[in-house]
Amino acid sequence: QKEVEQDPGPLSVPEGAIVSLNCTYSNSAFQYFMWYRQYSRKGPELLMYTYSSGNKEDGRFTAQVDKSSKYISLFIRDSQPSDSATYLCAMTAGNNRKLIWGLGTSLAVNP
Amino acid sequence: GAVVSQHPSRVICKSGTSVKIECRSLDFQATTMFWYRQFPKQSLMLMATSNEGSKATYEQGVEKDKFLINHASLTLSTLTVTSAHPEDSSFYICSARVRRQASSYNSPLHFGNGTRLTVT
Repeated sequence: QKEVEQDPGPLSVPEGAIVSLNCTYSNSAFQYFMWYRQYSRKGPELLMYTYSSGNKEDGRFTAQVDKSSKYISLFIRDSQPSDSATYLCAMTAGNNRKLIWGLGTSLAVNP
Repeated sequence: GAVVSQHPSRVICKSGTSVKIECRSLDFQATTMFWYRQFPKQSLMLMATSNEGSKATYEQGVEKDKFLINHASLTLSTLTVTSAHPEDSSFYICSARVRRQASSYNSPLHFGNGTRLTVT
């Protein structure tokens, strides 16, 4: 079993839809959770960074962490064609431990 | 803030030659930089951790003599792919954490835009 599981998709939604992206993990020591967006042929761009459980909101993006279920989510409201990209989750136990990455979910938002 | 610049963005080289990729933190100091490799439709694979002023730490299975890393200053790390072969063709991405007064160990990574290497 991989430490981090993420459905690679592809996920295709109409413009304006609410998008839900998820990752599950097996290591209960993970405390820091990140979502990155990666456009084709570009490096990943940090979207959200959360510590421990709870919600964090930034504009149209909301990150949720449920440590009891070992489940994290990224919600995108009012999705736009410019949101079309691959979304990668990453997490770490902290203290200079390695980041563990999900496979990435490919999202297409259709006008 | 937290801009990481990587150069070149694309390089094509002949088999047997060496290629150098530069990674710079433009508006912050980075005592540690990370080099990743990414194959199509796959996630990021950490190759090595580059430490300013000391030797890099390589992940298991990564040949340190083939992938030479130098971190000469707090804002520059280089990756040299020596004697490149077609199987080295890939997308190489560097990243760095912002160095703060307190420990930066838990700060998120910021990435460069990657270098697509094609070895013919």
